[in-house]
Amino acid sequence: QVQLVQSGPEVKKPGASVKVSCKASDYRSLRYGVTWVRQAPGQGPEWMGWISAYSGDTNYAQRLQGRVTITTETSTSTVYMELRSLRSDDTAVYYCARVLEVPAHGRWFDPWGQGTLVIVSP
Amino acid sequence: DIQMTQSPSSLSASVGDRVTITCRASQKIDIYLNWYQQKPGKAPELLIYSASTLQSGVPSRFSGSGSGTDFTLTISSLQPEDFATYYCQQTYTFYTFGQGTKLEIK
Repeated sequence: QVQLVQSGPEVKKPGASVKVSCKASDYRSLRYGVTWVRQAPGQGPEWMGWISAYSGDTNYAQRLQGRVTITTETSTSTVYMELRSLRSDDTAVYYCARVLEVPAHGRWFDPWGQGTLVIVSP
Repeated sequence: DIQMTQSPSSLSASVGDRVTITCRASQKIDIYLNWYQQKPGKAPELLIYSASTLQSGVPSRFSGSGSGTDFTLTISSLQPEDFATYYCQQTYTFYTFGQGTKLEIK
């Protein structure tokens, strides 16, 4: 079972950027890509975007378009998520997760990284 | 965007109870519906995918059903480790999660 290990907590000021990393123990198992999901305190998860681990193709949630960028570094088996122009409502735990897919059965996220707390505060 | 509505938002039950959580999609999503369990301070964990397929290692007391717009997650006999928050997720068009159902001990 692949493990995804994320970088540590971050505290940022409004307007700054944050870059969170997600290192995979077995990059070959990421054939259907990696996704990023965030969860604000007391809220349900919110999908942010997806990247193909091999082609680098991406899809982003419309409400975050222009502020979020997801990239990969295959040499280190690491996926990155950068969020710019941070606001207080970006305070959340950010998760990466492997995407799995079976045609006609859909996609699902498994496993997830341990999460990275990002606090945006003046 | 497809909206996912779970009910109830919270539920009190006892060990041994049978519990059902409902998830409704704002449009038809075939069987592209997953369920996750989340415990405090932890990442969500996959329970069921494709509406009714149990993820490997998940106890058989968990089951899922439904298609189209209406889905259910059932726990046949609650165990102490099942008290957690449960989320549904649609993957028909991008991805949307429900707001969660917090299952608490009565």
